[in-house]
Amino acid sequence: RKEVEQDPGPFNVPEGATVAFNCTYSNSASQSFFWYRQDCRKEPKLLMSVYSSGNEDGRFTAQLNRASQYISLLIRDSKLSDSATYLCVVIFYSSASKIIFGSGTRLSIRP
Amino acid sequence: GAGVSQSPSNKVTEKGKDVELRCDPISGHTALYWYRQSLGQGLEFLIYFQGNSAPDKSGLPSDRFSAERTGGSVSTLTIQRTQQEDSAVYLCAGGHGRGRTDTQYFGPGTRLTVL
Repeated sequence: RKEVEQDPGPFNVPEGATVAFNCTYSNSASQSFFWYRQDCRKEPKLLMSVYSSGNEDGRFTAQLNRASQYISLLIRDSKLSDSATYLCVVIFYSSASKIIFGSGTRLSIRP
Repeated sequence: GAGVSQSPSNKVTEKGKDVELRCDPISGHTALYWYRQSLGQGLEFLIYFQGNSAPDKSGLPSDRFSAERTGGSVSTLTIQRTQQEDSAVYLCAGGHGRGRTDTQYFGPGTRLTVL
């Protein structure tokens, strides 16, 4: 089983819709979580960190569920420009830290 | 520019040749990571440099892969005797360290094609 797993999608939703996707992790030593966005043939860029209490940045809301070991990303009122691949990142802290990227969820917003 | 730069942007090579990929991180970023990303796949961690500490090489897939970071700044990733399965985009990223709030700033990547 992969340490970080994401539904690869693609999620194809109409503009204005709300879409959510999850990322599960297997290591309970995980301590830090992030969502990155990657446009086609571009490098990943940080979208937002994920805090234990959940956090919101405009139309984007990130949640962490430690009991079930997953993080989620919710996008409200989706825009065409939201079309991208969303990568979750988990940092495990033990004797040596590990940074694991999920393989990404592809989101396509249609007019 | 103020961002992470990588060169070359594209590299086509023949199987068996050696290649060198370069990364210029943002000034002041003590942490530097190399990843590779195959088509449609996630990022695969290769190696991590942090300041003057010994690098974390746990992600290097074989002994054909090596990396150096000179003067805590520029890094080169070397792949010897390239194989077709080495074809991927090689991304480098910089940051302030593998801490709880570490944000990674990625370069545009080098697209390596091994024929």
